[in-house]
Amino acid sequence: DVKVTQSSRYLVKRTGEKVFLECVQDMDHENMFWYRQDPGLGLRLIYFSYDVKMKEKGDIPEGYSVSREKKERFSLILESASTNQTSMYLCASSPLHATSENIQYFGAGTRLSVL
Amino acid sequence: LAKTTQPISMDSYEGQEVNITCSHNNIATNDYITWYQQFPSQGPRFIIQGYKTKVTNEVASLFIPADRKSSTLSLPRVSLSDTAVYYCLVGDNPTMNYGGSQGNLIFGKGTKLSVKP
Repeated sequence: DVKVTQSSRYLVKRTGEKVFLECVQDMDHENMFWYRQDPGLGLRLIYFSYDVKMKEKGDIPEGYSVSREKKERFSLILESASTNQTSMYLCASSPLHATSENIQYFGAGTRLSVL
Repeated sequence: LAKTTQPISMDSYEGQEVNITCSHNNIATNDYITWYQQFPSQGPRFIIQGYKTKVTNEVASLFIPADRKSSTLSLPRVSLSDTAVYYCLVGDNPTMNYGGSQGNLIFGKGTKLSVKP
């Protein structure tokens, strides 16, 4: 079974702190993704990465950065956390296929509260 | 970039068949249709994927008409544990198109299915 592991289920941080959310997948997938999910807004893509050291902005990259130094690990960084970044953060991975069979596998999520 | 439209919510009773329809008028030739299920406090989970006609697995069936402008997820004989949010996604491999989000990365708000006893 594919496993996507997010380092924390719950996190509480203070405004202005630098926050790292870590995600590790064990299936040698090329693609990795970070989403946030808020009530009434669904899942929104923050960043994705299709290879080590490569990244692409999603719909809402402002206030976030990412790091992919190793294939299995994709980190989301909040340089200076703000209260409007309180949310559920979901990491996903998918294999790189020439066709469209690029099913995403999700972690359990990290619920971040910024006070 | 194919955008999808689904009902915001649906109600059903245990044992009934549930059909959730998704509209995707701008679907492209290479696009597949993928459905995910999400329970509270969990990440979405893949249910089924198809390109045309009908696909069936142990969980659900997916019906896609010839014009592919819509698709219907069918859940046979639902139980209380099928209460969840269901997302329809349409798109190509994200790494084939650079610069911004792609259809199969746009989850939207999904359809909240409530199954009652």
